[in-house]
Amino acid sequence: QSALTQPPSASGSLGQSVTMSCTGTSSDVGAYDYVSWYQQHPGKAPKLMIYEVNKRPSGVPDRFSGSKSGNTASLTVSGLQAEDEADYHCSSYAGSNNLVFGGGTRLTVL
Amino acid sequence: QVLLVQSGAEVKKPGASVKVSCKASGYTFTSRYIHWVRQAPGQGLEWMGWINPNSGDTNYAQRFQGRVTMTRDTSISTAYMELSRLTSDDAAVYYCAKSYGGPGGDYWGQGTLVTVSS
Repeated sequence: QSALTQPPSASGSLGQSVTMSCTGTSSDVGAYDYVSWYQQHPGKAPKLMIYEVNKRPSGVPDRFSGSKSGNTASLTVSGLQAEDEADYHCSSYAGSNNLVFGGGTRLTVL
Repeated sequence: QVLLVQSGAEVKKPGASVKVSCKASGYTFTSRYIHWVRQAPGQGLEWMGWINPNSGDTNYAQRFQGRVTMTRDTSISTAYMELSRLTSDDAAVYYCAKSYGGPGGDYWGQGTLVTVSS
């Protein structure tokens, strides 16, 4: 499987909203509602923020939301806070018990 | 609380093998798959495969098949990932992650840095 496509960078101002995309194919993102999003601060392990396209694990602020349209999934962070500055990685189930990740997007909070 | 604690950093020579451990606590080890994911310096995450700790069944990403072996020891709630025939391209931080119940990880280990150098 090829990696999912994420823009290398995104930015937004404090208090504003930003949306990051994750583009796959009809064999992964488009085929299954199993898209996850992870937040990763420098030197730290990834943290699950969204699973199954739009579900939030307990403890994740509702400022984080996910959606999907066709072969593209999106993560929106509203009310940006300084601590949201991090790398965001998407993943998708790709069939045959396989997972695929994107290359990650670095979010800068201005 | 759920914790995944991985073994320490490793330095290996090209052609060697490395075995990383992942000790789980705070939940029933056999109830959730364990995923292995790696991250090369400055790069994104790369899924390597999973193991079902209950049955020992595994599924490996195609690019690692023949070179990776995932095992577990249920008596000590520990999963292992062994990667053989190392090259410089295998230098990365290796993570284990507990499945949330679907295809993804909700709790992650702290990562194990593997350096490959002659």
